[in-house]
Amino acid sequence: DADVTQTPRNRITKTGKRIMLECSQTKGHDRMYWYRQDPGLGLRLIYYSFDVKDINKGEISDGYSVSRQAQAKFSLSLESAIPNQTALYFCATSDQDRNTGELFFGEGSRLTVL
Amino acid sequence: QKEVEQNSGPLSVPEGAIASLNCTYSDRGSQSFFWYRQYSGKSPELIMSIYSNGDKEDGRFTAQLNKASQYVSLLIRDSQPSDSATYLCAVEDQGGKLIFGQGTELSVKP
Repeated sequence: DADVTQTPRNRITKTGKRIMLECSQTKGHDRMYWYRQDPGLGLRLIYYSFDVKDINKGEISDGYSVSRQAQAKFSLSLESAIPNQTALYFCATSDQDRNTGELFFGEGSRLTVL
Repeated sequence: QKEVEQNSGPLSVPEGAIASLNCTYSDRGSQSFFWYRQYSGKSPELIMSIYSNGDKEDGRFTAQLNKASQYVSLLIRDSQPSDSATYLCAVEDQGGKLIFGQGTELSVKP
């Protein structure tokens, strides 16, 4: 099983619908992140959490919210999806203690908003 | 202006050649720099990290850092078709999170 698991892997939805992307990890890392990837734009940080009680906005947080339910779980919500939120979403974790900058990514969740 | 800039490519090189990938960053306080590789349809994976000015070699990969010029590069020697991927430059900001460039697509032709 993957160390960082994202569900769903693919989702097609309609404008205005509420969507939740879930991420769970078995690596025991405190730090978790949600990134969005669009062609030609690389990875852009949406939200990040350095521990269960810590939630921070990234560079493109508008239209998104997150919940850190436990050390191992970090969910991303789109309260009212819009077409320009169509993208590939990655959850990632990192080890605070080692602080090598290495992110461990999930396999991605491809979201299409019609 | 994006904080981390890369040429988006695509960069095409023949098999056996040296591929040179470049990255500039805007935050002079950045201390940690990384190269990730992403195969099509896959998630990114770390291939190199560099923290000091100069070169760091790992097999066929060499990372180069020049903090005065705010410039990071990745050289791939003896390029192979299996090196064809998108290469993402990442810089750790002073808040401890990674900021990524837009990625450079590399194609190695047999």
